[in-house]
Order: sequence, then structure tokens, then C-alpha cells
Amino acid sequence: DSGVTQTPKHLITATGQRVTLRCSPRSGDLSVYWYQQSLDQGLQFLIHYYNGEERAKGNILERFSAQQFPDLHSELNLSSLELGDSALYFCASSVAWINSPLHFGNGTRLTVT
Amino acid sequence: AQSVTQLGSHVSVSEGALVLLRCNYSSSVPPYLFWYVQYPNQGLQLLLKYTTGATLVKGINGFEAEFKKSETSFHLTKPSAHMSDAAEYFCAVRTQGGSEKLVFGKGTKLTVNP
Repeated sequence: DSGVTQTPKHLITATGQRVTLRCSPRSGDLSVYWYQQSLDQGLQFLIHYYNGEERAKGNILERFSAQQFPDLHSELNLSSLELGDSALYFCASSVAWINSPLHFGNGTRLTVT
Repeated sequence: AQSVTQLGSHVSVSEGALVLLRCNYSSSVPPYLFWYVQYPNQGLQLLLKYTTGATLVKGINGFEAEFKKSETSFHLTKPSAHMSDAAEYFCAVRTQGGSEKLVFGKGTKLTVNP
């Protein structure tokens, strides 16, 4: 158990809809990262938050947004969903040090029909 | 920008045989290197990491990796494969000034044959 909790585990929704994925980091970790995993693109970095502030953006679509709350949990919002957004979405957390590993949750599997 | 190349998207070995999964990185600054394993329908689990110091790093489940700066490599090995090692393995790099994110290779799926 990594200590990172993601909900829900599975999400099935229709095109055009909006969903929210939730992540609770490990106790004490201030950094939260979101990744998307798909068969064709592999593991793609989406966004990084540190102690409530956005630190870096990766290949994140404008239809996607995220935030980290004062209690350090994070939410990833996906809107105007398309079939191609179907993927596994992972949250990871870490301490601040650059040489520390990321600890991953078990992911949310999103299926857009 | 840093990047990772994993040679071989699929590797198949017999139970008891040597496992060798290849990883090469590209980075203009000293890298921090990691191997993760992903079992079906699960998240990524850290196998081992190289930060500084000893270049031969031991991880969980009998895996180890050697950092070779001259070859920009960080190959993962295990002397004797078990059926339970069947999974997908990801090499990743993290560097200072790289927005602190982990950059992953495309993964190598390991099959272990009885």
C-alpha cells in the first residue's frame, strides 16, 4: 500500500460529460502529481502541485484542470470528455526533495462511451 | 530536457533465467533514476532508485540496477526469474530544473515462461 488514495476506481461516462477524480496523498507529502496512462501514449505527466500551488504543467489539455486544497488532497477535473480521454489516471505524491521517489495510487480507470 | 529509452517493449524469459531490462537516459545534469513495476490493474510500485553514491543499487524482490554514467544506462537485472515477476516495468528519470516531474520510458512487459 503506497498510502496514496484515489477515488473512484472506475468511472464510465458519456462523451461531452464532466468528471472529477480525487486523490489523497501520503501523510506528510506536499507534492501531488497527475499522470495519464494510455496504450498509445504511455505514462504522460499532466500537472504538479506543491502545497496548494501549481508548479508545472505537462501535456494537459485545456479541457482538464486540477487543484490542490488546503488539506493537500487534489482533484483532477476533466470536461467535454471525448472517446480519446479514456485512460488510466494516476495520482502520485512525494516529499519535496528532488531525489525522492513518487508514490503512486492505484489509479482511476476512465471509460468514455 | 531529460528522456528515457527502454529497449524492447516485450521481453520473455524462462523461469529461473536471468532477467535483463534495458534503460538508457538522456540528461544534461546529474539524473535521479528509478525503476517501477506495474502489475495488472494496479498502480506503479517503486522497485529501486539511484540518487548518488553507490552505482549498484539493490531493490525489492531481488532486483538490482547499475548506474553507468559513461553509457548513460540504468539496466535492471534479476539473477533468477520467478513467475510472479511477470509485469510491466518502467524506467524513469527525474532531474533538478526538470519541473521535478518523473519522466517515464514506454515500459517493458516481462513474460516469464514455466
